[in-house]
Amino acid sequence: EAQVTQNPRYLITVTGKKLTVTCSQNMNHEYMSWYRQDPGLGLRQIYYSMNVEVTDKGDVPEGYKVSRKEKRNFPLILESPSPNQTSLYFCASTFYRGSDTGELFFGEGSRLTVL
Amino acid sequence: QKEVEQDPGPLSVPEGAIVSLNCTYSNSAFQYFMWYRQYSRKGPELLMYTYSSGNKEDGRFTAQVDKSSKYISLFIRDSQPSDSATYLCAMSRLMDTGRRALTFGSGTRLQVQP
Repeated sequence: EAQVTQNPRYLITVTGKKLTVTCSQNMNHEYMSWYRQDPGLGLRQIYYSMNVEVTDKGDVPEGYKVSRKEKRNFPLILESPSPNQTSLYFCASTFYRGSDTGELFFGEGSRLTVL
Repeated sequence: QKEVEQDPGPLSVPEGAIVSLNCTYSNSAFQYFMWYRQYSRKGPELLMYTYSSGNKEDGRFTAQVDKSSKYISLFIRDSQPSDSATYLCAMSRLMDTGRRALTFGSGTRLQVQP
């Protein structure tokens, strides 16, 4: 089954404790992206990657890191989480066509709470 | 002011009603327009995708784009309880950096009562 898999789905952590949210897709997509979803603000892009070893900042990258060592995986790293990073996070992927974003395929989300 | 405005709802309608969901936008550079549906505790999934002004129909769903008014709509005919979800509009444009940026509305929560 074609899918984007995120882990963990739910996480409660404390300020400053490094964490990684994993994302894996089995559709051979070049493009992968991370979003956060907050009430009233919609989905905002954190980082994106157009292919292996190519990553770039989205609209709200502060406090986050990413890496793209393999095509299928795109982990999101919070080196020192803070309470304002409490949010619902989505990983998404698609074929990169350059001319348009095409259909984004989303994971089921990871709800993160930072105390 | 947000680039994309969407009424958060909730919108509650009886089964069988025609539903109209809308978004307005301020940036005329947006070229592609999409509607995503998001069920509770799930990720968004693409419903409709349009490029030009006008209407696009897919079953019970019709997407309408009016670029002159910077206004897009999604109509749902014969609404069903299974349509209960949050509907997100999304629009994309080409940035100066060459990145194609996708901007989402904040979503409208729809409840269809049986």
